[in-house]
Amino acid sequence: AQKITQTQPGMFVQEKEAVTLDCTYDTSDPSYGLFWYKQPSSGEMIFLIYQGSYDQQNATEGRYSLNFQKARKSANLVISASQLGDSAMYFCAMRGPKPSYDKVIFGPGTSLSVIP
Amino acid sequence: EAEVAQSPRYKITEKSQAVAFWCDPISGHATLYWYRQILGQGPELLVQFQDESVVDDSQLPKDRFSAERLKGVDSTLKIQPAELGDSAMYLCASKGGRTTDEQFFGPGTRLTVL
Repeated sequence: AQKITQTQPGMFVQEKEAVTLDCTYDTSDPSYGLFWYKQPSSGEMIFLIYQGSYDQQNATEGRYSLNFQKARKSANLVISASQLGDSAMYFCAMRGPKPSYDKVIFGPGTSLSVIP
Repeated sequence: EAEVAQSPRYKITEKSQAVAFWCDPISGHATLYWYRQILGQGPELLVQFQDESVVDDSQLPKDRFSAERLKGVDSTLKIQPAELGDSAMYLCASKGGRTTDEQFFGPGTRLTVL
């Protein structure tokens, strides 16, 4: 069965510094996709970045990049130049194997606090 | 910009009462999801629709929960009777047709059962 692990319940980072949020996953399917979502205290889930298992390069979206290490089954999120508005819960998620490509399972999340 | 709509945003009810949540996905999105998120945890899938058909409801407590998407557009999630343990955020999401598409989430309904 697929599983997502996020071992950091809470993280602190100084404003303008970079921070890495860890995510490891377990799947036996060679085709999969990994997502990161942000959830501010207001509750809405905001999509940040996607990495496909066959993508040759690590995904990047603005200040977000995904450090994808396939052999280690890790997909860490790197946020550069942290801002106060980055304080939120961050969830790593993985879409299902065949035939459930549209099903997504979420990790337990990491709470990030940005300190001025 | 297109958004997923949910109502109500907040609901307080007493145990044994019935509650219903509504979701309107982004226009054209065939896949719709209902998640339950307990405070401090990640979202847990309750039910997944493809158009009007249920694709996955393996985690839906069918003795008290029901979900429908009659015309393949908006959807309703019902709990009857509500229990104290149902207090949580209920999130609706929709997704486009490509495998790599992300899910778009609504603002959620925060349910408190007293």
